[in-house]
Amino acid sequence: EAQVTQNPRYLITVTGKKLTVTCSQNMNHEYMSWYRQDPGLGLRQIYYSMNVEVTDKGDVPEGYKVSRKEKRNFPLILESPSPNQTSLYFCASTTGAHNTGELFFGEGSRLTVL
Amino acid sequence: GQNIDQPTEMTATEGAIVQINCTYQTSGFNGLFWYQQHAGEAPTFLSYNVLDGLEEKGRFSSFLSRSKGYSYLLLKELQMKDSASYLCAVLDSNYQLIWGAGTKLIIKP
Repeated sequence: EAQVTQNPRYLITVTGKKLTVTCSQNMNHEYMSWYRQDPGLGLRQIYYSMNVEVTDKGDVPEGYKVSRKEKRNFPLILESPSPNQTSLYFCASTTGAHNTGELFFGEGSRLTVL
Repeated sequence: GQNIDQPTEMTATEGAIVQINCTYQTSGFNGLFWYQQHAGEAPTFLSYNVLDGLEEKGRFSSFLSRSKGYSYLLLKELQMKDSASYLCAVLDSNYQLIWGAGTKLIIKP
């Protein structure tokens, strides 16, 4: 089954404790992206990757890191989480470098930073 | 700046028709997407318009007017399962998606 898998789905952590949210897709998509979703603000892009070893900042990259060492995986790293990073996070992928295709989203990771 | 506007919330009756509008001001245009998002779930793709006109897909249709910076999503024969948020997103000149905040659609029996 074609899918994007994120882990963990739910996480409560404390300020400053490094964490990684994993994302994996099995559709051989070139383009992968991370979003955060907050009430009333819609989806905001954190980072994206158009292919292996190529990553770029989105609209709200501060406090986040990513890597794209393999085509299928695109982990999101919070080196020192802060309460303002409490949010619902989505990983998404699509075929093609120009992002004109349908985005496939993971189920989401709800993160709470205390 | 770039901006996508859509109503925050709409209410409609089961079996009826509802139109959700989206207006946009972006630097360039390479297409407009509509996604459906049920509460607590991931968005799922509904439609993609790049040329002017109406695209019909079952009970859902999407319209685009590039000259007016305007799109709408039309939902016919509403069902309770259509209660969800509907997200409008525009692909700008750099092929980056600009997202609206979403329209929460409430369906009443």
